[in-house]
Amino acid sequence: NFMLTQPHSVSESPGKTVTISCTGSSGSIASNYVQWYQQRPGSAPTTVIYEDNQRPSGVPDRFSGSIDSSSNSASLTISGLKTEDEADYYCQSYDSSSVVFGGGTKLTVL
Amino acid sequence: EVQLVESGGGLVQPGGSLRLSCAASGFTFSSYAMHWVRQAPGKGLEYVSAISSNGGSTYYANSVKGRFTISRDNSKNTLYLQMGSLRAEDMAVYYCARDRGENWFDPWGQGTLVTVSS
Repeated sequence: NFMLTQPHSVSESPGKTVTISCTGSSGSIASNYVQWYQQRPGSAPTTVIYEDNQRPSGVPDRFSGSIDSSSNSASLTISGLKTEDEADYYCQSYDSSSVVFGGGTKLTVL
Repeated sequence: EVQLVESGGGLVQPGGSLRLSCAASGFTFSSYAMHWVRQAPGKGLEYVSAISSNGGSTYYANSVKGRFTISRDNSKNTLYLQMGSLRAEDMAVYYCARDRGENWFDPWGQGTLVTVSS
């Protein structure tokens, strides 16, 4: 079964840049689009990146997404960190069998 | 404004049944595939089920196959999830989400909590 692996947690200071990885277990992660969702406590997930590297309207350009085929991974990079970016982040993709979510990464901005 | 509003959650005994609803507004509901995703307390997101725009095609995760049924009423702009033979491990917040294409879920509803306990 296709799986996506994320670090359990990351932390960084305000104003800095952080990158969250999402590694595919098999196949090529570049074969299907990867989305990234932000989930604040008590709220539903919202999209920060779709189709690997696209930002929905309203999402600041501090958020960017990329794919690295050599490591079979996707990455979410947040620059100029703000305290409001503190949240859980989930990557999501799919294969021929199912949609798959990563386990989530808790971002702490301290 | 595109909006999804879930309802129908609550407390149910193990082995019991529950039907969740997801009312859609602000977009042409019949043009979009729809999904259910759940999140157990303190845990990550788990994909549950999907239905095509006309209801002719459905998908279930192995964990719910044979116990849950997804359906939709395009005349009422409403998505459903009929849950049966509920287990403790089904306890979660259940979200509905619209498929924007290529399995991009957006937006999500606010979620409805299902508690399975005796």
